[in-house]
Amino acid sequence: EVQLLDSGGGLVQPGGSLKLSCAASGFTFSTYAMNWVRQAPGKGLEWVSSISGDGERTYYADSVKGRFTISRDNSKNTLSLQVNSLRAEDTAVYYCATELSGIYSYWGQGTLVTVSS
Amino acid sequence: DIVMTQTPLSSPVTLGQPASISCRSSQSLVHSDGNTYLSWLQQRPGQPPRLLIYKIFNRFSGVPDRFSGSGAGTDFTLKISRVEAEDVGVYYCMQTTQLPKTFGQGTKVEIK
Repeated sequence: EVQLLDSGGGLVQPGGSLKLSCAASGFTFSTYAMNWVRQAPGKGLEWVSSISGDGERTYYADSVKGRFTISRDNSKNTLSLQVNSLRAEDTAVYYCATELSGIYSYWGQGTLVTVSS
Repeated sequence: DIVMTQTPLSSPVTLGQPASISCRSSQSLVHSDGNTYLSWLQQRPGQPPRLLIYKIFNRFSGVPDRFSGSGAGTDFTLKISRVEAEDVGVYYCMQTTQLPKTFGQGTKVEIK
């Protein structure tokens, strides 16, 4: 059974940092690209970042470019998102999701990031 | 960026009746590889999104056959043949043809 366990969210002040993690199991992690998608409270879905299966290629939404860094450790089946210089508008539930051939098959349960003073 | 526009934004439906959601993209979703990367996701209240349909009309594993997808180019439709209580939630179309990946605004399906 595929499982994605998101963690690392919390309350942080504007300008602060967090590291989000996604622990994967039940599939061959390195064969899937991975993504972060976020959802602000009561709002729709927004793609944040993607990383290829081998970790060589990374992509970011303009809204987070230069502040967020996606990475993965295929030896530990773990996806990460380092989020820096946080703003109020980054407040959201962050979901990790698998991607194979453009298909977002599986999603984590999400981790909430709240940016507030 | 490709803009995805869904209609309606809200769909009150009687149990057992059909429902239909439209999704229009601001440009063609046909990829250079010939595939059209248009998916439909379901998000039940308090739950993460769940993949229903990929590449226009392919049902994902475990998805009931009352869900169907159709369309081409820039116009796509999700249909629920007979709405059940467990279908309540928000439905999103999503394109992964081109970066950045983008979503429709979401359509809330509720029971009348």
